[in-house]
Amino acid sequence: GAGVSQTPSNKVTEKGKYVELRCDPISGHTALYWYRQSLGQGPEFLIYFQGTGAADDSGLPNDRFFAVRPEGSVSTLKIQRTERGDSAVYLCASSSKGTSGYNEQFFGPGTRLTVL
Amino acid sequence: LAKTTQPISMDSYEGQEVNITCSHNNIATNDYITWYQQFPSQGPRFIIQGYKTKVTNEVASLFIPADRKSSTLSLPRVSLSDTAVYYCLVPISGSARQLTFGSGTQLTVLP
Repeated sequence: GAGVSQTPSNKVTEKGKYVELRCDPISGHTALYWYRQSLGQGPEFLIYFQGTGAADDSGLPNDRFFAVRPEGSVSTLKIQRTERGDSAVYLCASSSKGTSGYNEQFFGPGTRLTVL
Repeated sequence: LAKTTQPISMDSYEGQEVNITCSHNNIATNDYITWYQQFPSQGPRFIIQGYKTKVTNEVASLFIPADRKSSTLSLPRVSLSDTAVYYCLVPISGSARQLTFGSGTQLTVLP
């Protein structure tokens, strides 16, 4: 079956611009996660959805970052007024259960965001 | 707050067994230990998870001593395609939903 997909695979933007990154989770997975990975580092948690609601957004670095999952499937990560420090790979993951993050999470290939 | 420590890098040769040890001194009583693998330009992939003693699957084995303060991921007879970053993870809290990654261990398999 299809895995987690993310679009675009690469996004280059200019400082100050707005970007949207999309995640299509595995069908039927109720839990969806966004992570950010900088070069040489492990992924860093941003936000977790259980169904349509953001159950934990404690990892979002500031109010320029926002994510939605209106129908409990596809999710969009939105970044306003991008800064060069936002450059990273943004990873999406989904899992079939939300009761524990240590149930297996399935990751997409990521979107590489470059802010010039 | 649980935290893991693992070697930054390891080298091995094809056909050898590789053991990567992770320390997690503050692991909580009910927490599982999970390992993920990440190839360049890909998202991490679940390898194995365990609570105590030994767990084995088609990819790896996980050894956990009785005190659970460390764990060892064992990869039998590695090949060049096993070159990747390996992450040892434990929950940051009992209610944690998200995975908390450290910097991982870069395993390089040489011919």
